[in-house]
Amino acid sequence: NAGVMQNPRHLVRRRGQEARLRCSPMKGHSHVYWYRQLPEEGLKFMVYLQKENIIDESGMPKERFSAEFPKEGPSILRIQQVVRGDSAAYFCASSPGQMYNSPLHFGNGTRLTVT
Amino acid sequence: TQLLEQSPQFLSIQEGENLTVYCNSSSVFSSLQWYRQEPGEGPVLLVTVVTGGEVKKLKRLTFQFGDARKDSSLHITAAQPGDTGLYLCANMDSNYQLIWGAGTKLIIKP
Repeated sequence: NAGVMQNPRHLVRRRGQEARLRCSPMKGHSHVYWYRQLPEEGLKFMVYLQKENIIDESGMPKERFSAEFPKEGPSILRIQQVVRGDSAAYFCASSPGQMYNSPLHFGNGTRLTVT
Repeated sequence: TQLLEQSPQFLSIQEGENLTVYCNSSSVFSSLQWYRQEPGEGPVLLVTVVTGGEVKKLKRLTFQFGDARKDSSLHITAAQPGDTGLYLCANMDSNYQLIWGAGTKLIIKP
């Protein structure tokens, strides 16, 4: 039973380029959450999606960041025109239902480095 | 906005020793979760505590939830190198999103 799969594990981008981070939830999970983590810090919520819908994007910057979870395929977190401050580990988590009654399962993250 | 403070930030001890780490909140927890995150991996849920005064045990790990539901502790007995990791606490807010502490980085030396 595959867990939450994120790719790539490491991504290096130059300032101004685009970064696309992918997340395939666990089988049977239709709820996806994206978090960002800086070194020695906890996770910061970015966005919560269900299939084809953004439920809560209150933690995601309004500019340059977007997320989707299409009917088919993985969830994508897209960062346009990356800046050095975007360097961080980005984690995806999935659950079978809403978080208040379903535990989260995390992927191993994508570590984005902007040079 | 609720703030979760974890202490200590960093702890390095010898194998076999006991330790306690703490998670304190500026407001009442609704549902507190403890996670362990190993280097290069995502967090893994250890336990969820909901009721004030609740105590849960997971092998050598004992989790306590304060009576007022504003603090929690994690006690590890006879720590082993495999316990090394970042221990995170998180609370679910009114929007059903997790608010995270910054974590306690624990190193157990063999």
